[in-house]
Amino acid sequence: GQQLNQSPQSMFIQEGEDVSMNCTSSSIFNTWLWYKQDPGEGPVLLIALYKAGELTSNGRLTAQFGITRKDSFLNISASIPSDVGIYFCAGQKNAGNNRKLIWGLGTSLAVNP
Amino acid sequence: DAGITQSPRHKVTETGTPVTLRCHQTENHRYMYWYRQDPGHGLRLIHYSYGVKDTDKGEVSDGYSVSRSKTEDFLLTLESATSSQTSVYFCAIGREEHEQYFGPGTRLTVT
Repeated sequence: GQQLNQSPQSMFIQEGEDVSMNCTSSSIFNTWLWYKQDPGEGPVLLIALYKAGELTSNGRLTAQFGITRKDSFLNISASIPSDVGIYFCAGQKNAGNNRKLIWGLGTSLAVNP
Repeated sequence: DAGITQSPRHKVTETGTPVTLRCHQTENHRYMYWYRQDPGHGLRLIHYSYGVKDTDKGEVSDGYSVSRSKTEDFLLTLESATSSQTSVYFCAIGREEHEQYFGPGTRLTVT
């Protein structure tokens, strides 16, 4: 099935550093979602984006819906140890009623205290 | 808390046995989903439901069936479990727009 191209695949950073990750596709999307998954738990929705060019923040997290509608970006400022986990992007490109999402493979983030 | 529970949380079963996983929601949402998560493959949709008795296949539906006789419950059945179905299974509900909220997962091991 189709997947989103999510990069980088993994990151190892020092506490306090800023983090950037992105998600791209060859198709146009109507919705972009960013999730975080902690070990042994289900993914948790961080930010939802619905409009091209939209920039939305959630605490130290900021996500943007790319102006071309083919990409999205997530930034984490001043990272802390609890930011450790896997970050997934997901997109929805159909206007129909099935509401199925297309997923990236995730970015694994490790933070060195 | 998205009001989603999954049961069991862990299960070990033998090849060839039937297995049913349950997803229960307390919020009366129309859309429900079953995913499996495996290393290197991310989240893959098995089946989804858009209402009571309304279900459709996802990208990895072979070997799985689902049922939704009540709004609050979405059941995933492995008719005859195989080792390739060893995985972590997540249920999700669909809320506003296209947002999905996930349950805690079921870790299934087929020996």
